[in-house]
Amino acid sequence: KAGVTQTPRYLIKTRGQQVTLSCSPISGHRSVSWYQQTPGQGLQFLFEYFSETQRNKGNFPGRFSGRQFSNSRSEMNVSTLELGDSALYLCASSLDLDTSYNEQFFGPGTRLTVL
Amino acid sequence: AQSVTQLDSHVSVSEGTPVLLRCNYSSSYSPSLFWYVQHPNKGLQLLLKYTSAATLVKGINGFEAEFKKSETSFHLTKPSAHMSDAAEYFCVLSGGGADGLTFGKGTHLIIQP
Repeated sequence: KAGVTQTPRYLIKTRGQQVTLSCSPISGHRSVSWYQQTPGQGLQFLFEYFSETQRNKGNFPGRFSGRQFSNSRSEMNVSTLELGDSALYLCASSLDLDTSYNEQFFGPGTRLTVL
Repeated sequence: AQSVTQLDSHVSVSEGTPVLLRCNYSSSYSPSLFWYVQHPNKGLQLLLKYTSAATLVKGINGFEAEFKKSETSFHLTKPSAHMSDAAEYFCVLSGGGADGLTFGKGTHLIIQP
C-alpha cells in the first residue's frame, strides 16, 4: 500500500508570492491533516479536512487555507508569503476523524523556503 | 487548553545502555497519547500509542511507555539503545474528537558508539 505522498518536496519562493502544496493520502483514508514544523515553534496543527470539509483549524492567519477533493487529495495554499513561513509542511492521513483512535500516517513533507 | 512538555531537548546515551525520554502532559479530557519518531529528512512514524487501555504500552523497535495519570506523565523507555535509534522523538497528545494533535517540542536522541 502506497504511503502518503506530498509534492513538491522542496520549494523556494520570495516574499509576497503565494504557494500551493499537494498531499495524496493513503488509499481509503478520508481524513487529511496539515502541520507546520519550524525549529522555533516545533510542530503545529494547521487544519484538518474530512469529506471535503474543513473540520478543525489551528491558530494560523487567514493567509493559510486548504481544501480537499472528492478523492480525498488535499491542497494547502499560503498567500502573501512571509519569511516566517519557511518551514517543513507535513501532511497526515487517517481513516477517520477522531485522532484519539485513528493513527495518523505522515508524508515526508514539503520544505518551503521563503527568500 | 491542552499541552505537552518534553523535559529534555537533547538526550545522549551510549549504545547498549537504557534510554529514557520524558514527557508530561496537561489535558482537560482523558487524553490519548502517542510517541512519534522522525529520522532526518523523513516524515513521522508512530512508535506507540495509549488510548485508555493498558497503562504500559509496548511499541515498535523495543520501545515502551507507561501512562501515569497521577504524575501526568508518559515517559518513553528502551532497555538497550541502538545506533539506529538516533532521531528526533515527539510526545503527542490528542484530546479527542477532531481537535488535531498537540506536539511536544521534541527530544533529540544521540547515541554514542
